[in-house]
Amino acid sequence: DARVTQTPRDKVTEMGQEVTMRCQPILGHNTVFWYRQTMMQGLELLAYFRNRAPLDDSGMPKDRFSAEMPDATLATLKIQPSEPRDSAVYFCASAPQTVYGYTFGSGTRLTVV
Amino acid sequence: KQEVTQIPAALSVPEGENLVLNCSFTDSAIYNLQWFRQDPGKGLTSLLLIQSSQREQTSGRLNASLDKSSGRSTLYIAASQPGDSATYLCAVSEGRGTSYGKLTFGQGTILTVHP
Repeated sequence: DARVTQTPRDKVTEMGQEVTMRCQPILGHNTVFWYRQTMMQGLELLAYFRNRAPLDDSGMPKDRFSAEMPDATLATLKIQPSEPRDSAVYFCASAPQTVYGYTFGSGTRLTVV
Repeated sequence: KQEVTQIPAALSVPEGENLVLNCSFTDSAIYNLQWFRQDPGKGLTSLLLIQSSQREQTSGRLNASLDKSSGRSTLYIAASQPGDSATYLCAVSEGRGTSYGKLTFGQGTILTVHP
């Protein structure tokens, strides 16, 4: 089965450190999303790309978060500097051109202490 | 701004019961609606996707309906089993401009099926 691969699976870091999360979308999918999940807020859209171009990153704190797609097989989400309130599970998802069906990765559980 | 609400927030039922999970959304201009399942500590698994032109979709013991004009969807689970215990999430995708395909999620319904 085709799958979305996220690394790392878990990350514990100290406040102020840089964190980079990576996502490999399904081959052929041209739409990639980054979501953040917390108990309080549920699933929030941070950013998404179509054909590697950013379409919407309004959900992302611009001063510390950045999202990129250096190529069609890799999406990255970077936090610099990290803060305890960034602790959450970060999911990547990809979808084909028709956006008929979304596939989510297993997530990166980030803990900032 | 699209808002998605799921009722109830939690549900506990004995094995074998048929049950209904509800989802409502405020903007009817959706492209599709999708139901996901999430097990504790895991990612999201897609269960059913209904295009805006469709009324329902079925997969095994699951049936999802969509009433786009009233902004509602239901997920019906027949003959529930303990293995159905999970959080069920409803999400709608937008169909306009640069928001095409963007998913907005509800807060989920936590389902517990006890033997």
